[in-house]
Amino acid sequence: DGGITQSPKYLFRKEGQNVTLSCEQNLNHDAMYWYRQDPGQGLRLIYYSQIVNDFQKGDIAEGYSVSREKKESFPLTVTSAQKNPTAFYLCASSIYFSGGAGYTFGSGTRLTVV
Amino acid sequence: AQKVTQAQTEISVVEKEDVTLDCVYETRDTTYYLFWYKQPPSGELVFLIRRNSFDEQNEISGRYSWNFQKSTSSFNFTITASQVVDSAVYFCALKPGANSKLTFGKGITLSVRP
Repeated sequence: DGGITQSPKYLFRKEGQNVTLSCEQNLNHDAMYWYRQDPGQGLRLIYYSQIVNDFQKGDIAEGYSVSREKKESFPLTVTSAQKNPTAFYLCASSIYFSGGAGYTFGSGTRLTVV
Repeated sequence: AQKVTQAQTEISVVEKEDVTLDCVYETRDTTYYLFWYKQPPSGELVFLIRRNSFDEQNEISGRYSWNFQKSTSSFNFTITASQVVDSAVYFCALKPGANSKLTFGKGITLSVRP
């Protein structure tokens, strides 16, 4: 079955470390997205990619980095510059960036700084 | 600028009660898309419905119904005869224009008690 796979489900990071969250899709979707979810804050867009080898900053990109070398993969790196990284991270994809296509979401990664 | 307001933050009902989740949006675009997503405790967002700005017809799907009113910029979601399995966080989202990102409201936590 087609879908989005995020790994790991739970991740613990020491302060000062970079960590990378994985997101893989087999839906043949062009566009991919990373959202951060905090209690009472809804979903906030970190980065998005409309097509391979291209990505743009979302609303809260500071302290994060991404790459899009393959259509199927859109990993997110949480760097040590991110001051408050503890959150739930959701990856999503859509067939195209433009138009009214809905997003398909992964099951998320819960990151905790220890 | 686009905005989605879900004024209700938490709702608690007893099983079999009807419940309406409110969503108010703001956009200057004449073409836009509205969505509802459900986030159960597992974390993954599940797509429920999409509406485009030219289709004000209300929709019913089983116990779920949606009321779209452009005059009041609202896209409300009603669950009839609620069940415990309806307990989740529900997000309303807006995609203004053809080439834009999905903007989410802050979500409504619905608890259905047996």
